[in-house]
Amino acid sequence: DVKVTQSSRYLVKRTGEKVFLECVQDMDHENMFWYRQDPGLGLRLIYFSYDVKMKEKGDIPEGYSVSREKKERFSLILESASTNQTSMYLCASTLLGANTEAFFGQGTRLTVV
Amino acid sequence: DAKTTQPNSMESNEEEPVHLPCNHSTISGTDYIHWYRQLPSQGPEYVIHGLTSNVNNRMASLAIAEDRKSSTLILHRATLRDAAVYYCILRDGAGSARQLTFGSGTQLTVLP
Repeated sequence: DVKVTQSSRYLVKRTGEKVFLECVQDMDHENMFWYRQDPGLGLRLIYFSYDVKMKEKGDIPEGYSVSREKKERFSLILESASTNQTSMYLCASTLLGANTEAFFGQGTRLTVV
Repeated sequence: DAKTTQPNSMESNEEEPVHLPCNHSTISGTDYIHWYRQLPSQGPEYVIHGLTSNVNNRMASLAIAEDRKSSTLILHRATLRDAAVYYCILRDGAGSARQLTFGSGTQLTVLP
């Protein structure tokens, strides 16, 4: 029973392309998050959203934007992909409140060539 | 935000208990302590969480110090499938807990 689905497991894009990473959750969660994970750097928060059309920057938002037009879908956008954005991207969702667990997608391995 | 400190790596023998420590000396009274783990090539998965009292579930136990400045995740009988990176994080219960911030975690190696 998959709860958080990321649109692609592997993706290869060219430098300068506009890239969309999609994340969909089926649990009616308010909060959604995008991370990137690189060896030795752990999980770093890019952006999060706590409601439709609402977003807040995480620790490393530069070079990224996000869109949340529907509650179940949170998109990460690379306006002009660069090689230093080659990484594993992970999406997560939670209900509001700290007494709830987060669910993660399987990740998208993005390679920018 | 309150931070957590974990050892970079730990080893355990298969079928033995594992105690994974986490220090959070600046924890606030409303912070929940959460543990997640990440198996190779997968996204993180929830393990357990608690506020003040010790907690048990089918995966693990969470022991929280009386002053709440540290906690320990206990795997009662490690298996090879428990080899993963374990993350201890805090989530602020005073607000909407919008942030979900991870540190570098502990790499657990389980030896056969």
